[in-house]
Amino acid sequence: GNSVTQMEGPVTLSEEAFLTINCTYTATGYPSLFWYVQYPGEGLQLLLKATKADDKGSNKGFEATYRKETTSFHLEKGSVQVSDSAVYFCALPSEGGSEKLVFGKGTKLTVNP
Amino acid sequence: DGGITQSPKYLFRKEGQNVTLSCEQNLNHDAMYWYRQDPGQGLRLIYYSQIVNDFQKGDIAEGYSVSREKKESFPLTVTSAQKNPTAFYLCASSGQTGRGRGEKLFFGSGTQLSVL
Repeated sequence: GNSVTQMEGPVTLSEEAFLTINCTYTATGYPSLFWYVQYPGEGLQLLLKATKADDKGSNKGFEATYRKETTSFHLEKGSVQVSDSAVYFCALPSEGGSEKLVFGKGTKLTVNP
Repeated sequence: DGGITQSPKYLFRKEGQNVTLSCEQNLNHDAMYWYRQDPGQGLRLIYYSQIVNDFQKGDIAEGYSVSREKKESFPLTVTSAQKNPTAFYLCASSGQTGRGRGEKLFFGSGTQLSVL
């Protein structure tokens, strides 16, 4: 089945710093790719997605580009805020047309004022 | 507001006891899922259900059981056979049709289960 490898944290940044969280995947075909975010004590929320190669997903200042050449979907933000402190998960369907998602291990981000 | 409700938020289990975690959704979604989250290990799928009265094992189903008698409800029972139940449990649902039906998941706020 498909799998995802995500940069391990924790990551600590100062406010307004640039953020990159790496995510690479192994998959059959070209599945949709996702980033989910989990704020403290809460469930996960979809942050952004990309459905085909070269697509760029974006939301709340975060971006990720679906790169089939490097099988990557790195998450970036130009200027992080304290409110971005959370755990970020990269995900994709477990297999082609699957009902299920497989998640990376998560990267904890802390942004200090 | 539509969403997924998990209860309780915190639950304690004694040795040899079965406990049940509740998950209710009013999104009219067909598919529902249970994930277990351990620190540093991400999310692992326990069980999922694509339709009422049907469910399938995920990657770590041993020591757990589920039922899907109603579309809105997908309770998870942690049995005494689960020797290491302490974790954060997340319920999710999805309702997109067609290919990749389960792709966008809506999550509840989770239940933290601890062993006394």
